[in-house]
Amino acid sequence: QKEVEQDPGPLSVPEGAIVSLNCTYSNSAFQYFMWYRQYSRKGPELLMYTYSSGNKEDGRFTAQVDKSSKYISLFIRDSQPSDSATYLCAMTANAGKSTFGDGTTLTVKP
Amino acid sequence: KAGVTQTPRYLIKTRGQQVTLSCSPISGHRSVSWYQQTPGQGLQFLFEYFSETQRNKGNFPGRFSGRQFSNSRSEMNVSTLELGDSALYLCASSLEGRLAKNIQYFGAGTRLSVL
Repeated sequence: QKEVEQDPGPLSVPEGAIVSLNCTYSNSAFQYFMWYRQYSRKGPELLMYTYSSGNKEDGRFTAQVDKSSKYISLFIRDSQPSDSATYLCAMTANAGKSTFGDGTTLTVKP
Repeated sequence: KAGVTQTPRYLIKTRGQQVTLSCSPISGHRSVSWYQQTPGQGLQFLFEYFSETQRNKGNFPGRFSGRQFSNSRSEMNVSTLELGDSALYLCASSLEGRLAKNIQYFGAGTRLSVL
């Protein structure tokens, strides 16, 4: 069983929809939680990071962490075609080594 | 500030050859990590270097090796290439500090094709 499981997708939504991306994990040692966005043929781009349980908001993006359930989410409000990409959750327990989910490919249709 | 720079962007090699990939971290970042990304396995951690020393290592065979120089630049070497080594190789750098060391910034990657 993988340490990090991510909803596989793909996900297709109309422009303006709210998108929910989710990951679960099994390793209780994970302390830091990140979301990356990866466009085709590019490296992952850091979107958000969180440390504690709760919500963190940045513009149209909200990251949510529930350590008791070992569950993290990324919400995108008012989704745009430019949000179409693969979204990766990542977690660290040991600095310098991140464990990634397999990614969810999102398509936002105009 | 320049981001993480990886060279070359694309490489084509044949089985049995060896290859060296290069990574220049963001200025001031002393930790450099390498990852392999494939469609079937996703992003997998190879190793991390800090202050010219390997600090963490993933579960890859000894054919995969790396090093870091005093200016924090890093190289990754793969010897005796196999078809399964075809992948996007990503380099990430980070600052030190309780929180910062967990936040990694990625380069665009080197896409290696082994024929």
